Amino acid sequence: ETGVTQTPRHLVMGMTNKKSLKCEQHLGHNAMYWYKQSAKKPLELMFVYNFKEQTENNSVPSRFSPECPNSSHLFLHLHTLQPEDSALYLCASSLSSGRPLSSYNEQFFGPGTRLTVL
Amino acid sequence: AQSVTQLGSHVSVSEGALVLLRCNYSSSVPPYLFWYVQYPNQGLQLLLKYTSAATLVKGINGFEAEFKKSETSFHLTKPSAHMSDAAEYFCAVSVTGANNLFFGTGTRLTVIP
Repeated sequence: ETGVTQTPRHLVMGMTNKKSLKCEQHLGHNAMYWYKQSAKKPLELMFVYNFKEQTENNSVPSRFSPECPNSSHLFLHLHTLQPEDSALYLCASSLSSGRPLSSYNEQFFGPGTRLTVL
Repeated sequence: AQSVTQLGSHVSVSEGALVLLRCNYSSSVPPYLFWYVQYPNQGLQLLLKYTSAATLVKGINGFEAEFKKSETSFHLTKPSAHMSDAAEYFCAVSVTGANNLFFGTGTRLTVIP
């Protein structure tokens, strides 16, 4: 596997289900991101992890719970979602130049998980 | 705070015609600017980026963009459209010291044979 992979690619769940999205990067990066892409809206940054530490939570509801066990893996745990949470969830990774960052490093995106909440 | 505005959610061009996708940014500090492309059922791929070096930036697939500070613009162009250019294009802005990318709402490019 190369680049950034995401599983599953498609997920349909009921509002009472619990599921998890998985992201894995094979690029040696140390920063990982979750984005939400909804129709006709800008991509929304949800969470940022630098060196396994969460450094950004963009006012995301608690029904979304991220987990970053190491620099290569990122999870998004989902529970009691709402139909408006249906979207494409994109994972990305980049190098992190340290804290604080001294320059921008390109983010590489996975193909996304298309989530439908019934 | 930073933001970008992409004028035109849909743009159609004929094959071989000039492609022009517009992006205007807002930033209180010198920005980094990016164009990403998203093909159907795929993630975003970086086309090009401006990081305060040359104002005319060349990217992949024959695309280029020019940073114009006076106009706060970073429009994407390609001299001759190809069918394979049909995709959604996103402009984004970031600043030094931040991981965050702020995206526009995207422009869907259709290429007519």
